[in-house]
Amino acid sequence: SQKIEQNSEALNIQEGKTATLTCNYTNYSPAYLQWYRQDPGRGPVFLLLIRENEKEKRKERLKVTFDTTLKQSLFHITASQPADSATYLCALPSGAGSYQLTFGKGTKLSVIP
Amino acid sequence: SAVISQKPSRDICQRGTSLTIQCQVDSQVTMMFWYRQQPGQSLTLIATANQGSEATYESGFVIDKFPISRPNLTFSTLTVSNMSPEDSSIYLCSVELGTDTQYFGPGTRLTVL
Repeated sequence: SQKIEQNSEALNIQEGKTATLTCNYTNYSPAYLQWYRQDPGRGPVFLLLIRENEKEKRKERLKVTFDTTLKQSLFHITASQPADSATYLCALPSGAGSYQLTFGKGTKLSVIP
Repeated sequence: SAVISQKPSRDICQRGTSLTIQCQVDSQVTMMFWYRQQPGQSLTLIATANQGSEATYESGFVIDKFPISRPNLTFSTLTVSNMSPEDSSIYLCSVELGTDTQYFGPGTRLTVL
């Protein structure tokens, strides 16, 4: 099965700076990788999906990269705001061709005004 | 996307009792998933519930403890049976819409005394 490591449990950054979160995986190379946001007491909310043939994807202030050689994805939030404070989860298919997802433990981001 | 509701949103239950959690989706979906999120942990898949077939359980989860119903394409239930304090968790349902992404309900926060 897939194993996922998110670089840190918690990350504090100053408002306006760029937050960079890391997701590393082992075992097989997934067809895609996803990032979700989870606020306390709520279910995860899908943010971005990047496929194995894509190196980078952007959505507003969010950018995701996917390096299949390093088995790593980086998730960037530029011009961070206190409203970006949340836990961010990385998720991958549990197996080749699987619709089931394996989630990382998440990184809790705090953006300090 | 999909709008997903769960009932109840939270409950406090006595040891040895059972609780049934409902998940309602605003559109017809084939694939539904049930997850558990223990305090401070990431999401762990309990089972996949596709309409018209028996639920498929992940390692460590059994039907006697977590029976699932999927009577139609917009609804599912998860029962947590013979509860113990170790079952205290957030239980989440999600759906996959054929786009490799999952949409989550708000979760049910269960506390077992």
